[in-house]
Amino acid sequence: SYELTQPPSVSVSPGQTAKITCSGDALPKQYAYWYQQRPGRAPVLVIYQDSQRPSGIPERFSGSSSGTKVTLTISGVQAEDEADYYCQSADTSDSSWVFGGGTKLTVL
Amino acid sequence: QVQLVQSGAEVKKPGASVKVSCKASEYTFTDYFIHWVRQAPGQGLEWMGWINPNTGGTKYAQDFQGRVTMTRDTSITTAYMEVSSLTPDDTAVYYCARPQRDEAVTGDAFDIWGQGTVVTVSS
Repeated sequence: SYELTQPPSVSVSPGQTAKITCSGDALPKQYAYWYQQRPGRAPVLVIYQDSQRPSGIPERFSGSSSGTKVTLTISGVQAEDEADYYCQSADTSDSSWVFGGGTKLTVL
Repeated sequence: QVQLVQSGAEVKKPGASVKVSCKASEYTFTDYFIHWVRQAPGQGLEWMGWINPNTGGTKYAQDFQGRVTMTRDTSITTAYMEVSSLTPDDTAVYYCARPQRDEAVTGDAFDIWGQGTVVTVSS
């Protein structure tokens, strides 16, 4: 089955830039989406269609795509950004949804 | 505002079934699919399937086929997800979620989530 691969963890100091990657063979043809999940809370959509930001999401969150990899970038990281981040896309082989394994962002 | 409100926590014994509800409000219930996603303790998100509230049509992820049933009651704008033959591995938080678009697009983002329902399976 189709898989999206994320690094298990990323650490960054406050004010620095965090980059979280997600790799998948179909990403050149399928959009990717990013969710933030804080402990005990439901996921929140932070990026859709590779690089679009929903209303209410701070401008420091951005997304990009290059070949089989998409990247979530958080500029000027704040303590409140410490959370798990998941990428999501489509598995068109069986019309299903697929999530990456998640990346824990630690703000040092 | 648009929201999905789920039923409360459940504790079940192995072999039992559990049915979780998801009540939609402040939008036309039949215009958007409802998806279910689960998250085992300390683990990632796992897509389970969807129901089309307009037609009742369903699609289940391969790992859940034969054990999961999704239904809806349009009169009370509520979707349901039932898991049968529970094992301790089914212990998880179960979420319902609504896609961004009111059309069937595989892989579309989820912009509205329920608060989650904790299901614990233990003897």
